[in-house]
Amino acid sequence: QSVLTQPPSVSGAPGQRVTISCTGTSSNIGTGYDVHWYQQLPGTAPKLLIYGYTNRPSGVPARFSGSKSGTTASLAISGLQADDEADYYCQSYDRSLVVFGGGTKLTVL
Amino acid sequence: QVQLVQSGAEVKKPGASVNVSCKASGYTFSNYAMHWVRQAPGQGLEWMGWISVVNGDTKYSQKFQGRVIITTDTSASTAYLELSRLTFEDTAVYYCTKSFGTILGAASGSWGQGTLVTISS
Repeated sequence: QSVLTQPPSVSGAPGQRVTISCTGTSSNIGTGYDVHWYQQLPGTAPKLLIYGYTNRPSGVPARFSGSKSGTTASLAISGLQADDEADYYCQSYDRSLVVFGGGTKLTVL
Repeated sequence: QVQLVQSGAEVKKPGASVNVSCKASGYTFSNYAMHWVRQAPGQGLEWMGWISVVNGDTKYSQKFQGRVIITTDTSASTAYLELSRLTFEDTAVYYCTKSFGTILGAASGSWGQGTLVTISS
């Protein structure tokens, strides 16, 4: 059981907008600790997509955005493309340790 | 640019130990921290531990406490993961990652290519 809860799967058609939630508790997201998001394409190492809830590293398209409300962080992907099909993971900090969400598989229909 | 190059795949027997190395280039190795993360086949990411290269501080997941040691050799810009008393459940791809900064909660901005460790009798 992951400390951070993500939906196992989401899907959307090309061009649509999808969101992936990452629900935590008062000991992690609720305390204000940063949440980061990673994209893992099939057979590759994860890649940083969003850090500190809303910041995009250089080279990450503006189609990817992050937000937070209460104890839930969210990743939004707009203008969905076929090559966005991947696994997405959130990460935060909880009681002096690093924790990951269980991951969400995004399917582009 | 930042590069993390990990050692090759390993096959180990249950009860043995494994050492995985991660050679860094493209940045000042001693100014950042390194994480180790693993991924079992078909499963999600699992954080194992972290080392601050700046001062040598380490932090380990409770799940691996007593079985894992993370070290660095600053002269070689290399981080090492040692995992002992291996079981079949340790079969996974092991990744090193470079932290954005020196605090434990910073993001992992760069990842190694991964090292497959297979436990087989």
